[in-house]
Amino acid sequence: RKEVEQDPGPFNVPEGATVAFNCTYSNSASQSFFWYRQDCRKEPKLLMSVYSSGNEDGRFTAQLNRASQYISLLIRDSKLSDSATYLCVVNMKGRDDKIIFGKGTRLHILP
Amino acid sequence: DTGVSQDPRHKITKRGQNVTFRCDPISEHNRLYWYRQTLGQGPEFLTYFQNEAQLEKSRLLSDRFSAERPKGSFSTLEIQRTEQGDSAMYLCASGMGGSSYNEQFFGPGTRLTVL
Repeated sequence: RKEVEQDPGPFNVPEGATVAFNCTYSNSASQSFFWYRQDCRKEPKLLMSVYSSGNEDGRFTAQLNRASQYISLLIRDSKLSDSATYLCVVNMKGRDDKIIFGKGTRLHILP
Repeated sequence: DTGVSQDPRHKITKRGQNVTFRCDPISEHNRLYWYRQTLGQGPEFLTYFQNEAQLEKSRLLSDRFSAERPKGSFSTLEIQRTEQGDSAMYLCASGMGGSSYNEQFFGPGTRLTVL
C-alpha cells in the first residue's frame, strides 16, 4: 500500500457544484495533514492544514478520520478558479520529520 | 509570492555537466526542504535542514546530489554529472520546525532540463 494515495482524477465538475476528494495514508503514526493546491507549472501553495476536529475556510472544509486513516477536502459552490491539482500531504513526526505528498487529484471546473 | 525565492528559474544543461541551484527561504524560518517533481507526480522529498544541520536525506538523493545550508539561511543543491533522468522541477520550501503543525511554503522552483 502506498504511503499516501489519492484518486488522480480528473474530476470534471460544473461550476457551482460541490466536489469532495479523499486521501488515504498508510502510517498510523502520521501526525499532521495538509491540503495544497498546485496550478499548472506552478509551485504548490498551502490551501489548509487539517485539524483533528475538522476545519473550514470559506467554501473549503477539511476532515480527518484517524480510525480509517483518511483525510478529505470538500469544496462548495465551486468556481472556475478552483481548477487545479489538489495535493494531500502527510507529516509523520518522530526523531525526524517525514513528509509525504500524494500524487494529486486534478480538478476541472466546467463553465 | 510566499517569500521563498529560487534561482535560476530555468536551467538547461548538457548531460554530464554540473549544476547548482540556490534557495532563499523566508528569513525567520529555520527549516528548509528540497523536493523534486516530475510531470504528473507529487513532489518527492529529497532532503531537509534545520538551521545548518542536514537532518534527513531521501534514498532518491544519490551521491551525485549534495545540498548545503552553511549559515542556516540560504541553501544550495548541486547535481554533479547530470543525467537525462535528472530533468525535473526542483522545489524548495521553508517552514518553522518545532511547531505542532509543520506548514511549508514553497518557492517557484527551478526547472532543470538535461539534454
